[in-house]
Amino acid sequence: EVQLVQSGAEVKKPGESLRISCKGSGYSFSNYWIIWLRQMPGKGLEWMGRIDPSDSYINYSPSFRGHVTISADKSINTAYLQWTSLKASDTDIYYCARQGPGRYYMDVWGQGTAVTVSS
Amino acid sequence: QSALTQPASVSGSPGQSITISCTGTSSDVGGYNYVSWYQQHPGKAPKVMIYDVSNRPSGVSNRFSGSKSGNTAALTISGLQPEDEADYYCTTYTSNFWVFGGGTKLTVL
Repeated sequence: EVQLVQSGAEVKKPGESLRISCKGSGYSFSNYWIIWLRQMPGKGLEWMGRIDPSDSYINYSPSFRGHVTISADKSINTAYLQWTSLKASDTDIYYCARQGPGRYYMDVWGQGTAVTVSS
Repeated sequence: QSALTQPASVSGSPGQSITISCTGTSSDVGGYNYVSWYQQHPGKAPKVMIYDVSNRPSGVSNRFSGSKSGNTAALTISGLQPEDEADYYCTTYTSNFWVFGGGTKLTVL
């Protein structure tokens, strides 16, 4: 079964760092882009960026460039989304999703990781 | 404010058809045939229902169809069923990243 499994919910304080993960299984991880998206509870989705695990080439949305870091370790089929200094406004649900080569849509999604940043 | 404009809500009775619009610009919706639609039930991850404007992934009911005219894309659901009640999001590729609509809540009366 093709699936993306994300790390569990996190509760952090402003200024702390955080890395959440997304592990792929059931397919060739290096052959598909991994996308990261943000969703405020009860609100819409935002595309944050994507990474090609085969060479770690990354596209960032202009809205998120400089605020987060996307990375991947193809040896363990895992992609990451990282913050160095969290803000309260980073409180959201974060999804990873898969995008096939030459495809322009996301066909497999992770279950989401809830991040809460509060003092 | 989302880059693409969707109605906040639509509703219909079982068996009826509804259409959800998604309006952008010539730089996004109008410029590429890469509009996709996602269905999201409460507490669940989104699921792709339509890709590349009008293509259905395998396993998605043929009651779901997509179209585009100019800068506006549309998702039509025919023969509404109770399980169609969900949030629906459109998105499209533009200049090396993707933009989303604000989402539409579909209520099946």
